[in-house]
Amino acid sequence: GDSVTQMEGPVTLSEEAFLTINCTYTATGYPSLFWYVQYPGEGLQLLLKATKADDKGSNKGFEATYRKETTSFHLEKGSVQVSDSAVYFCALSEDSTLTFGKGTMLLVSP
Amino acid sequence: EPEVTQTPSHQVTQMGQEVILRCVPISNHLYFYWYRQILGQKVEFLVSFYNNEISEKSEIFDDQFSVERPDGSNFTLKIRSTKLEDSAMYFCASSPLDSGNTIYFGEGSWLTVV
Repeated sequence: GDSVTQMEGPVTLSEEAFLTINCTYTATGYPSLFWYVQYPGEGLQLLLKATKADDKGSNKGFEATYRKETTSFHLEKGSVQVSDSAVYFCALSEDSTLTFGKGTMLLVSP
Repeated sequence: EPEVTQTPSHQVTQMGQEVILRCVPISNHLYFYWYRQILGQKVEFLVSFYNNEISEKSEIFDDQFSVERPDGSNFTLKIRSTKLEDSAMYFCASSPLDSGNTIYFGEGSWLTVV
């Protein structure tokens, strides 16, 4: 079945550092790929998405490129802020449901 | 911006009791979902609902669980006789017909079974 694997957290960075959170997936078809973010005390919010190979999703300075050849959708940001501290979930969808990774906690210190 | 709202935000219940978690999906959405996240584990799909019936459900969604859309706005998840292992964060979600698989989540209801 479908699955998503994310790097283990927590990821601890200083403000303005470069962020990469790795995500790889296994799917039978051609899924859509997503990153969701969960800020402390809040629900899951869609951060960005890509629906086909080589698409790049972007939002709030975050980017991720749908790489079919490596089955990856790594999340990147050039300069993180303290306010980016949250749990980030990679997910895929081949139909109307989502399959999530375990989530990666990001902690950014001033 | 429209959002999915859930109540209660936190509920503590005794094992064996019935629990109803409530959700108000975004008003023009047609698909509704429940997901759950046991502490430290993945977010897992429970059930999807479309056109007043269950369209898909996971192995987790056994006879102890049921969903209902009792009126035009609410979407509920009922757990008939709670077990300790039902303790989790339960997320309601919804999506419009042509969302490109984008699903919008509520803030979650944290259920603790003691």
